[in-house]
Amino acid sequence: GAGVSQSPSNKVTEKGKDVELRCDPISGHTALYWYRQSLGQGLEFLIYFQGNSAPDKSGLPSDRFSAERTGGSVSTLTIQRTQQEDSAVYLCASSLFGRNTGELFFGEGSRLTVL
Amino acid sequence: GESVGLHLPTLSVQEGDNSIINCAYSNSASDYFIWYKQESGKGPQFIIDIRSNMDKRQGQRVTVLLNKTVKHLSLQIAATQPGDSAVYFCAENIHDASGGGADGLTFGKGTHLIIQP
Repeated sequence: GAGVSQSPSNKVTEKGKDVELRCDPISGHTALYWYRQSLGQGLEFLIYFQGNSAPDKSGLPSDRFSAERTGGSVSTLTIQRTQQEDSAVYLCASSLFGRNTGELFFGEGSRLTVL
Repeated sequence: GESVGLHLPTLSVQEGDNSIINCAYSNSASDYFIWYKQESGKGPQFIIDIRSNMDKRQGQRVTVLLNKTVKHLSLQIAATQPGDSAVYFCAENIHDASGGGADGLTFGKGTHLIIQP
């Protein structure tokens, strides 16, 4: 498809398990972002990738969270030893240029529920 | 820390009326502002943006107003339609010219726009 694709759309896991969330950005977009959206809340920045530069990890809430972007395209967000407070919708976005252009194209998100 | 906030969590308007969604920001260093629309079960979609050297910008049925004196941003939707029902987020971009990585979008909590027939 032409948009940002995320998988899985829904993930239910048990506390303590690891989860991986995948994002396939729009082809040609150099910038990729992960955000977290808790119920009824705004978007919380997690991590930003731009080309081959070192990612901006300043938004990751703990060392249980990590993300990779392989080949400048697909990204995986990994949450280790999940906790109930990790339950949220994880949104991925991409943009053609860097982070100051503003127009981000979002995927539909991966809803994570930790029991 | 400084952040973007919304005045109202829910706004209810009659179909056909104009809607005004407000947003306050506190960081005077913000130089770029964006409105996003998020429909239920979907990711946010870009609506309109405005840079700090402007006071007003118009799109199709939408207008964004920026008042830097009181650090206030608003989104006006003309002739509101059922398809406008969504959560609207304002976001600010704090440009870090040093390249230290502090720049990037900060989103507010959102306003849920409800359209009454």
